[in-house]
Amino acid sequence: QQPVQSPQAVILREGEDAVINCSSSKALYSVHWYRQKHGEAPIFLMILLKGGEQKGHDKISASFNEKKQQSSLYLTASQLSYSGTYFCGTEWSVIKAAGNKLTFGGGTRVLVKP
Amino acid sequence: NAGVTQTPKFQVLKTGQSMTLQCAQDMNHNSMYWYRQDPGMGLRLIYYSASEGTTDKGEVPNGYNVSRLNKREFSLRLESAAPSQTSVYFCASSPGPSYEQYFGPGTRLTVT
Repeated sequence: QQPVQSPQAVILREGEDAVINCSSSKALYSVHWYRQKHGEAPIFLMILLKGGEQKGHDKISASFNEKKQQSSLYLTASQLSYSGTYFCGTEWSVIKAAGNKLTFGGGTRVLVKP
Repeated sequence: NAGVTQTPKFQVLKTGQSMTLQCAQDMNHNSMYWYRQDPGMGLRLIYYSASEGTTDKGEVPNGYNVSRLNKREFSLRLESAAPSQTSVYFCASSPGPSYEQYFGPGTRLTVT
């Protein structure tokens, strides 16, 4: 099942903060976050793993609540370059032979205005 | 180091025609993926290859076939294109489970 992202869209002024949420109905092993600008490929931001490990950029922060099967991505002191569509991808189990098969949410459009 | 490359960048097909989308990566990654993205939507997995020599279906495999030619290359074939397959197709690669995926620039396919 596809994870559910909220909100669907958010408009910010430069310097403002926002939170993007990703919820799953299935138990998660990891949550991945990507950003996509219009007409471009998605770019990796962050992976949060069961057990608390995180891999990703220093300037992006996120949390993973294993009990609630939710992840939140925090956009702090937003810059114009933060504009784009943010996708979460969920991984339900880690079986080496299966690669990391991600199921992506529908996306959250973020527009940062001057 | 080109990362993930895809050809062609744009393609227009007529209903019933066939074509192959090519993808190659030079990062020595084990896993490769094909996604489609419809306008305003998220990414949906078509097929993936966890390692050289293996392929498996994703969420939306109908109407597609894949070949993992070697560790570097993973192709996607449309045998008889339909208007419903109009989309942007992304190839991605990853070192393995719970690692980031690197995406190619995409192929914009229109089927008339």
